[in-house]
Amino acid sequence: QVQLVQSGAEVKKPGSSVKVSCRTSGGTFSTDGLTWVRQAPGQGLEWVGRIIPILNKPNYAQKFLGRVTITADKSTTTAYMELSSLRSEDTAIYFCARVSQTLAPGGDHYYYYMDVWGKGTAVTVSS
Amino acid sequence: EIVLTQSPGTLSLSPGERATLSCRASQSVSRNDLTWYQQKPGQAPRLLIYGASNRATGIPDRFSGSGSGTDFTLTISSLEPEDFAVYFCQQYGTSVTFGGGTKVEIK
Repeated sequence: QVQLVQSGAEVKKPGSSVKVSCRTSGGTFSTDGLTWVRQAPGQGLEWVGRIIPILNKPNYAQKFLGRVTITADKSTTTAYMELSSLRSEDTAIYFCARVSQTLAPGGDHYYYYMDVWGKGTAVTVSS
Repeated sequence: EIVLTQSPGTLSLSPGERATLSCRASQSVSRNDLTWYQQKPGQAPRLLIYGASNRATGIPDRFSGSGSGTDFTLTISSLEPEDFAVYFCQQYGTSVTFGGGTKVEIK
């Protein structure tokens, strides 16, 4: 059974950085996709970025370009999301999720979906 | 970037009633790669439907998804008490976007 275990809550000052970890177990870390999604208090879900460890080529949401870095350590099956130049608007729960794929009928493409989620890491940015 | 608009924002229904949730995309969703999630307070989202109409493992058959192109629907045929939650649609392409969510609340 795949599990994603995230690091604990963080309180940061504006302008600083935060690094959140997501340790996976029970899956195929190298080939599974891992994505990061955040949720501000009382708000909806917002995609931050993703990585496939075996490719080691992250892909980021336009909004976070230049401020976010997603990495993966295959030796410890842990993914990381680092967000810099923090501001109060970055206060949110940050979730990691595994991205799985299923071959669509017809066999010409895949469906991708986030099927296993971590419990989330609360990041508070406050002076 | 594809924008997903969900409606209504809130749906007030009673247990046993049918719920119909809409997700409209600003442009066609590639290969109907549209996913639905359920989220309850204090919890991570839970996968319900992928590929617009495929139920995820363990999801009851009262949940069904339909649609293609730019218009998608999540239907809950008969609401159970545990179904009152917020539902999000999401598309997965070169970028990933979520809808704003529909809250299904007890009337």
